[in-house]
Amino acid sequence: AQSVAQPEDQVNVAEGNPLTVKCTYSVSGNPYLFWYVQYPNRGLQFLLKYITGDNLVKGSYGFEAEFNKSQTSFHLKKPSALVSDSALYFCAVRARGYQKVTFGIGTKLQVIP
Amino acid sequence: DTGVSQDPRHKITKRGQNVTFRCDPISEHNRLYWYRQTLGQGPEFLTYFQNEAQLEKSRLLSDRFSAERPKGSFSTLEIQRTEQGDSAMYLCASFSVYNEQFFGPGTRLTVL
Repeated sequence: AQSVAQPEDQVNVAEGNPLTVKCTYSVSGNPYLFWYVQYPNRGLQFLLKYITGDNLVKGSYGFEAEFNKSQTSFHLKKPSALVSDSALYFCAVRARGYQKVTFGIGTKLQVIP
Repeated sequence: DTGVSQDPRHKITKRGQNVTFRCDPISEHNRLYWYRQTLGQGPEFLTYFQNEAQLEKSRLLSDRFSAERPKGSFSTLEIQRTEQGDSAMYLCASFSVYNEQFFGPGTRLTVL
């Protein structure tokens, strides 16, 4: 069975500082990995994905994530946080050859002015 | 707006009633997912369609739940004999060939 762990319920960071939202996964075989963001009263939005190739993937709004196979991690990062980045962030995994997507429980990011 | 629409946006029903939700995905996407999301949780996979074929269904989904995607276009999710535990946000997502999911706004179901 595949699973995703987001170990932090909430991450607080000062505006302008770098941010990291952690994600680890468990899946059979090679994974597809995703990050989604959910703003208050809005639907889930795709941020970025890892399919294959370069371990550092870049996505929307200046976010990036690093795939680490040995640590089974896919942490979300941004060099300089904005107050508008405050939202709920979900990591997700899908095993290659299968269609089920498993989401983590989400991490609330609070960027403090 | 992601291009995926869901109807209704809110549904309040009494326990024991049947409800049906509709999802209209992005027209060129042949893959469609249904999820359920409760407060404090991530979306939970319910079922997956490729065109009109329902190829995968969660084992957590009871027999009261059924989904269809006639002609590979819109999809419906029906819950029969609703229970209070069915109260949740029901999300639909269409999946591009580039492995990106586009979520609809969801249908919030409240079972009284």
